[in-house]
Amino acid sequence: GAVVSQHPSRVICKSGTSVKIECRSLDFQATTMFWYRQFPKQSLMLMATSNEGSKATYEQGVEKDKFLINHASLTLSTLTVTSAHPEDSSFYICSANGMVNTEAFFGQGTRLTVV
Amino acid sequence: GEDVEQSLFLSVREGDSSVINCTYTDSSSTYLYWYKQEPGAGLQLLTYIFSNMDMKQDQRLTVLLNKKDKHLSLRIADTQTGDSAIYFCADLSYNTDKLIFGTGTRLQVFP
Repeated sequence: GAVVSQHPSRVICKSGTSVKIECRSLDFQATTMFWYRQFPKQSLMLMATSNEGSKATYEQGVEKDKFLINHASLTLSTLTVTSAHPEDSSFYICSANGMVNTEAFFGQGTRLTVV
Repeated sequence: GEDVEQSLFLSVREGDSSVINCTYTDSSSTYLYWYKQEPGAGLQLLTYIFSNMDMKQDQRLTVLLNKKDKHLSLRIADTQTGDSAIYFCADLSYNTDKLIFGTGTRLQVFP
């Protein structure tokens, strides 16, 4: 079946630095990708919708200058957490929809720890 | 690793009840969630159940959890055409603190 690869699976960074997370669809072209954040012991929160070739659509309350999303190709979307702070520490998951927007496939997730 | 499985398709007549099933392998599950995804949209949280509960009802939605068999189901009463979507179950694992998703069940409601 379709596979979405998310990298890295775990990253520790210093406060004030930036971290880039990649989400790749390995065997299909994804016109739309979603970025979610999961707070400890809680469910997912949708952060933004990433559309290939256009600007991402951010959910209310998500700072677009802090969470930069680039969907430059049909197989790759990146989320960059800029000037990371300890409160950005979380589990980030991407998902990708196929060309006909029928199914969603999830990445393995990235555990970000900001120290 | 832990796994969550769902049947791929379900087709029901408008007005009937729908039952979507999910099985999981995680023995450290804390919460189990049901999400709905409409075409082109992100996930929408429908409901969730704590792992020590057997049942939770929320308007037209009823969640049943059989912890012994690691089986979760979502029943939608009086299914409407607007309920047509893909439904994902997800397991929040205590051991890894990660959400593990099923493959999704496509629910099609016909008149």
